[in-house]
Amino acid sequence: AQSVTQLGSHVSVSEGALVLLRCNYSSSVPPYLFWYVQYPNQGLQLLLKYTTGATLVKGINGFEAEFKKSETSFHLTKPSAHMSDAAEYFCAVTRGDSSYKLIFGSGTRLLVRP
Amino acid sequence: DAGVTQSPTHLIKTRGQHVTLRCSPISGHKSVSWYQQVLGQGPQFIFQYYEKEERGRGNFPDRFSARQFPNYSSELNVNALLLGDSALYLCASSLIGGETNTEAFFGQGTRLTVV
Repeated sequence: AQSVTQLGSHVSVSEGALVLLRCNYSSSVPPYLFWYVQYPNQGLQLLLKYTTGATLVKGINGFEAEFKKSETSFHLTKPSAHMSDAAEYFCAVTRGDSSYKLIFGSGTRLLVRP
Repeated sequence: DAGVTQSPTHLIKTRGQHVTLRCSPISGHKSVSWYQQVLGQGPQFIFQYYEKEERGRGNFPDRFSARQFPNYSSELNVNALLLGDSALYLCASSLIGGETNTEAFFGQGTRLTVV
């Protein structure tokens, strides 16, 4: 079975500060990992994904994440927060098989203070 | 190009009623998945359809059903609505149903409120 744990339901940072959103996963098979962002009253937008290959993945809007198998983690970072980054962020995992079932964490709401 | 479109955007139903939610995938996408997102939680997988066949089902009761049409659009049906069915229902389309490294594109969702 697969699962995702996002530490911290709310994270607050100042504009210009480092953003770090934590995600740990559990998977009995090599996972594919994703970060999605959700703005109010909208659907989900893919920020970045890890499937195979390079463990440091760069996404849109200056975000990146590093897959660490030994720590079963896939934390999301951004060097400098912008006000427009305020949103809900979801980490998700899926198996590398024929189904496309995404298993999501409970989400982290990012607040950016001016 | 149009993204994933869902209708309606908002819906209010009474307990015990039936509801049908609709989704049109991105042109050329043959796979549609449905997710339920209860307030304050992450989305939960309900169904995946690929080439009009059910490919996966989540842990939801039989009151939930879906189908995919020849034009790859999809409907999600929920019978005998309960208060707990109140949620944002998200539809996602992807190019190929059998490749998990294919990005899933999400629609804006349908906000269902059961009273």
